[in-house]
Amino acid sequence: GENVEQHPSTLSVQEGDSAVIKCTYSDSASNYFPWYKQELGKRPQLIIDIRSNVGEKKDQRIAVTLNKTAKHFSLHITETQPEDSAVYFCAASDNFNKFYFGSGTKLNVKP
Amino acid sequence: DVKVTQSSRYLVKRTGEKVFLECVQDMDHENMFWYRQDPGLGLRLIYFSYDVKMKEKGDIPEGYSVSREKKERFSLILESASTNQTSMYLCASRPEVQPQHFGDGTRLSIL
Repeated sequence: GENVEQHPSTLSVQEGDSAVIKCTYSDSASNYFPWYKQELGKRPQLIIDIRSNVGEKKDQRIAVTLNKTAKHFSLHITETQPEDSAVYFCAASDNFNKFYFGSGTKLNVKP
Repeated sequence: DVKVTQSSRYLVKRTGEKVFLECVQDMDHENMFWYRQDPGLGLRLIYFSYDVKMKEKGDIPEGYSVSREKKERFSLILESASTNQTSMYLCASRPEVQPQHFGDGTRLSIL
């Protein structure tokens, strides 16, 4: 089955800096890659997603890039703010069947 | 707005008890999922269901069962609770070819 690895497990940045979280996947059949943000004590919420027919997608301060050949995808957050502090999860899916999640990255944005 | 409701936020049970975790969604979604979330392990799929009375095992089904008698309700059952089932349990639902929406989670402690 699919194996999704996520790095780093913790990331600390200064407010205003950029943050990058990376994920790799093993199954070349995976074609949908969502990113979730989970604030402390709250549910995971979808923040951005990308399908395998595009290489990059951007939504304001967040962007996701996908390299299908290398089987990795990354989340980029620019101009980080304290409210970006949360745990971020990547996931991979084959045609929206099962979703395989990374182990999570705890992002701390220091004011 | 999609609403996925889990019946309890916190639950404390004893070893050997039969435990029921309930999840209800109000958007007529076909697909429903149960995950457990543990530090450093991300979200792991326990069971999922594509339709009423249909269920499929996820990656860690041992010690669990599920029930889906009505489309809006998906129940997770711990047949005989054990301490290693202490965890955060997340329910999710989604329509076809769309990302998942999560509930707030149930933090279950088995003593």
